[in-house]
Amino acid sequence: SQQGEEDPQALSIQEGENATMNCSYKTSINNLQWYRQNSGRGLVHLILIRSNEREKHSGRLRVTLDTSKKSSSLLITASRAADTASYFCATVPLNSGGSNYKLTFGKGTLLTVNP
Amino acid sequence: EAQVTQNPRYLITVTGKKLTVTCSQNMNHEYMSWYRQDPGLGLRQIYYSMNVEVTDKGDVPEGYKVSRKEKRNFPLILESPSPNQTSLYFCASSSGMAGGSYEQYFGPGTRLTVT
Repeated sequence: SQQGEEDPQALSIQEGENATMNCSYKTSINNLQWYRQNSGRGLVHLILIRSNEREKHSGRLRVTLDTSKKSSSLLITASRAADTASYFCATVPLNSGGSNYKLTFGKGTLLTVNP
Repeated sequence: EAQVTQNPRYLITVTGKKLTVTCSQNMNHEYMSWYRQDPGLGLRQIYYSMNVEVTDKGDVPEGYKVSRKEKRNFPLILESPSPNQTSLYFCASSSGMAGGSYEQYFGPGTRLTVT
């Protein structure tokens, strides 16, 4: 069953612009993670935000979490052509005891950064 | 180099012919998992394992088997493949709760076609 749902499904921007992707989920979570996937390749972990955190930064990435709205956003600043990829949010449910064996992924946002 | 490896990377087979996709990790991770990725459906978990000899079903386990006899290996077995199992398969591992880290490391993927 899908837990996270990303929005938009596809996003096309120019190099240097910021890209914002959103994720909504249904049940209470322990943490939420964002992953990146280049076409047909394995996913790469970007950032994890715990349920008691509201914002987290990593380089050009900024993630926010609003547990009252059950939503998260991923902001990529000053985008580059190399950022072109699919981005997925994934959630770990609160009742899992903190382990990540029920990591549930959304369907992803396809980001295209045009040079 | 820390990594998750999968073999084979590409496989074309016929309906009913048993096959095994191997997965191995060199990070001493306790947790391992298999996903399948299909267009429009995102990643769906097939099976996961929290430790040696401990496995459990994910969201789409029908038609698949797994085993975890050693910590580093987690093969995916299709006893009688059918065309609806044509997909891109990913193995992932994580140190999980024991290691306090929840990020998952993904293998490069196995593209399976069942005719």
